[in-house]
Amino acid sequence: EPEVTQTPSHQVTQMGQEVILRCVPISNHLYFYWYRQILGQKVEFLVSFYNNEISEKSEIFDDQFSVERPDGSNFTLKIRSTKLEDSAMYFCASHPTGMRNQPQHFGDGTRLSIL
Amino acid sequence: DQQVKQNSPSLSVQEGRISILNCDYTNSMFDYFLWYKKYPAEGPTFLISISSIKDKNEDGRFTVFLNKSAKHLSLHIVPSQPGDSAVYFCAASGAGTASKLTFGTGTRLQVTL
Repeated sequence: EPEVTQTPSHQVTQMGQEVILRCVPISNHLYFYWYRQILGQKVEFLVSFYNNEISEKSEIFDDQFSVERPDGSNFTLKIRSTKLEDSAMYFCASHPTGMRNQPQHFGDGTRLSIL
Repeated sequence: DQQVKQNSPSLSVQEGRISILNCDYTNSMFDYFLWYKKYPAEGPTFLISISSIKDKNEDGRFTVFLNKSAKHLSLHIVPSQPGDSAVYFCAASGAGTASKLTFGTGTRLQVTL
């Protein structure tokens, strides 16, 4: 079964540094998402992306965050100047059509640790 | 902002018995509900979903019930198996194409032998 793949599985970064999290969505999926889960808390929506532009973003997704689909396969999340509170699991998800009778498919996540 | 709530952080059930996981929501605009299962070090895996036009959806051992008037849904697993031990997340989405998912805090299910 096709999978959403994320790299790296664990990223350790010094506070203030830039970090790029990478995702390869399922081929032929059209909608892409980033979510995060801070330890002990719920999974939270960050941003959705369709047709090479952001379709929705949460309050968490401030100017420090950006997303990009640089080629036909990768979908990236960049945090420009990381803060301690950015430490979390970051999940990428993709959706085939955007129709609500189908689920989003998630990757296994990247654990981001900010020191 | 707890639009989706799972009030039981954990549940322990004997193998072969029924597991019932509950979820409440407050946002009347939600019209599609999903259950995801999550193992440690893995991402959420889709389990089953239900549209607001239905009150029940069944897939093998898994059944989801939706009570719109009470804004409540539940996941029944019958019979429970040790491999079902995981964290179960309830999620909801509202109107709009490819709408974001709003998750509950999860319920950790342990199925004992």
